[in-house]
Amino acid sequence: EPEVTQTPSHQVTQMGQEVILRCVPISNHLYFYWYRQILGQKVEFLVSFYNNEISEKSEIFDDQFSVERPDGSNFTLKIRSTKLEDSAMYFCASSQGTGYEQYFGPGTRLTVT
Amino acid sequence: RKEVEQDPGPFNVPEGATVAFNCTYSNSASQSFFWYRQDCRKEPKLLMSVYSSGNEDGRFTAQLNRASQYISLLIRDSKLSDSATYLCVVTLWNTGFQKLVFGTGTRLLVSP
Repeated sequence: EPEVTQTPSHQVTQMGQEVILRCVPISNHLYFYWYRQILGQKVEFLVSFYNNEISEKSEIFDDQFSVERPDGSNFTLKIRSTKLEDSAMYFCASSQGTGYEQYFGPGTRLTVT
Repeated sequence: RKEVEQDPGPFNVPEGATVAFNCTYSNSASQSFFWYRQDCRKEPKLLMSVYSSGNEDGRFTAQLNRASQYISLLIRDSKLSDSATYLCVVTLWNTGFQKLVFGTGTRLLVSP
């Protein structure tokens, strides 16, 4: 069964450093998403991406965040200057279209020290 | 008011029990409704979509009441493997269904 993959599974970084979280969505999917979940809290939407551009972003997704689909398979989330409060599990998801099921990857646990 | 509200639990039930979870949502423009399951430190996985007429999938039954903005999930004959957090999720029309809005989840613990 096709699945969304994410690397790394755990990233530790120092405050102020840049991190890039990587995702490989399901191959025939057209819509891509990033969500985050701070420990003990709910899953929160960050951004959706379609046709090589952001289609929607949340208030959390400020100027320190960016997304990119650098090639035909990868979808990345970059955090330019990490803060302690960026520590969370980051989930990538993909879907065939709007209204279709979003399949989630296993997540990257980001720890900012 | 929270966009999606759930009782956090935990609900502690014995194997074989029937358990029901409820959820309310604040935005009447919400269009699609789901129950996701999340195991500890894992990704959310779709359990079932929720339709206006109500729907059943094996031991699981979901109901939607648009007038009351209320969603429910009933689990019959609970198994140990049902222990997880159950997330109530809605999508909004004005976002083109693209954004999933999650509740904080209800934790279920099924014991032998």
